[in-house]
Amino acid sequence: NAGVTQTPKFQVLKTGQSMTLQCAQDMNHEYMSWYRQDPGMGLRLIHYSVGAGITDQGEVPNGYNVSRSTTEDFPLRLLSAAPSQTSVYFCASRAGQENTIYFGEGSWLTVV
Amino acid sequence: DQQVKQNSPSLSVQEGRISILNCDYTNSMFDYFLWYKKYPAEGPTFLISISSIKDKNEDGRFTVFLNKSAKHLSLHIVPSQPGDSAVYFCAALHFGNEKLTFGTGTRLTIIP
Repeated sequence: NAGVTQTPKFQVLKTGQSMTLQCAQDMNHEYMSWYRQDPGMGLRLIHYSVGAGITDQGEVPNGYNVSRSTTEDFPLRLLSAAPSQTSVYFCASRAGQENTIYFGEGSWLTVV
Repeated sequence: DQQVKQNSPSLSVQEGRISILNCDYTNSMFDYFLWYKKYPAEGPTFLISISSIKDKNEDGRFTVFLNKSAKHLSLHIVPSQPGDSAVYFCAALHFGNEKLTFGTGTRLTIIP
């Protein structure tokens, strides 16, 4: 998973708190995205970006905000955490000319 | 609406034998299909991919077969090794919306 770095790896939040999951990649990839993985389900796309300044919603965007001010960084913000947002979050990136998507190591979030 | 399905949640194979993991999809617009391997507490690791215009791609012990008429793909691992024990996700990529659609995963256990 070299190249895509996520922080923090583990976080516990109280309902209603806000926080930001950080994601950075050093491969100069145009495309970045956030997924969440829940038990018994595949990874689901939350938000994605096709370049600096451009973001769009994925399959499950509600309760999350993103921004892409630089090519390298793609933070995911939880505005008011809810227990339903307890999940494992993965950031991913891809070069425009390639089909391979590289994932970070994941961020385990628990909302109590 | 599950567009990518892995109907076998688990599979056990003897070391040295062939492992065959299956995946079905419903959307004819996918451009690429990818297989990822995931260990606990780690992000998915890319294994192998295949373009929608191909029917086979091989990389070392891993071969992916695509049957477009049946909307079915499979990953063959031969010979299977203990280090192959992990969860395998099938995924499909549509370049138009940057969405990587995942199956629910198959847990492969290689028996020594």
